[in-house]
Amino acid sequence: NAGVMQNPRHLVRRRGQEARLRCSPMKGHSHVYWYRQLPEEGLKFMVYLQKENIIDESGMPKERFSAEFPKEGPSILRIQQVVRGDSAAYFCASSPSAGGVTEAFFGQGTRLTVV
Amino acid sequence: DAKTTQPTSMDCAEGRAANLPCNHSTISGNEYVYWYRQIHSQGPQYIIHGLKNNETNEMASLIITEDRKSSTLILPHATLRDTAVYYCIVRVGMGGSEKLVFGKGTKLTVNP
Repeated sequence: NAGVMQNPRHLVRRRGQEARLRCSPMKGHSHVYWYRQLPEEGLKFMVYLQKENIIDESGMPKERFSAEFPKEGPSILRIQQVVRGDSAAYFCASSPSAGGVTEAFFGQGTRLTVV
Repeated sequence: DAKTTQPTSMDCAEGRAANLPCNHSTISGNEYVYWYRQIHSQGPQYIIHGLKNNETNEMASLIITEDRKSSTLILPHATLRDTAVYYCIVRVGMGGSEKLVFGKGTKLTVNP
């Protein structure tokens, strides 16, 4: 059973370009969480999605950031018109359900560098 | 905001037990304590979780006080590969949102 897969592992974008980060959850997992980690800082929650639904986006910046988790395919975190301050590691986690007690499993992250 | 308090850093000798404390004095009755670790900017790794009973798995033991206001993660025989930032998390949830809220964690350094 493959773990949470994120791609690309490293992404370089020029200021003003769009960044698309992909996350394929573990098999059987229908809940996805995105986190951002700035250099030398902790992980900050961004958004929690279930299939085709955004459950909690309280950590998402109001502009330029969006996330989706379609019925088919991976979850996508999209950053439009990137700025240098978006440079960070973006981690995705998945869990099988929100009800009950289940651990979330994390991917290895996408390191975004904006030049 | 994180609902836990942990020491910023700790050191441990290789082969000895590492005991990482965590305070969560405002924990609710239905909230669990989770521990994760992050090794050098890799993705966080799940370690263990518990409600009120002590728990043990192949990685670690979790001791939760009777009043549930604090807990201790125990790595029984620390190795150099256990050097990481350890996060104690109380899992919050309202209306189906079960996100993990990370604090600053404890940076554990295992020394040879």
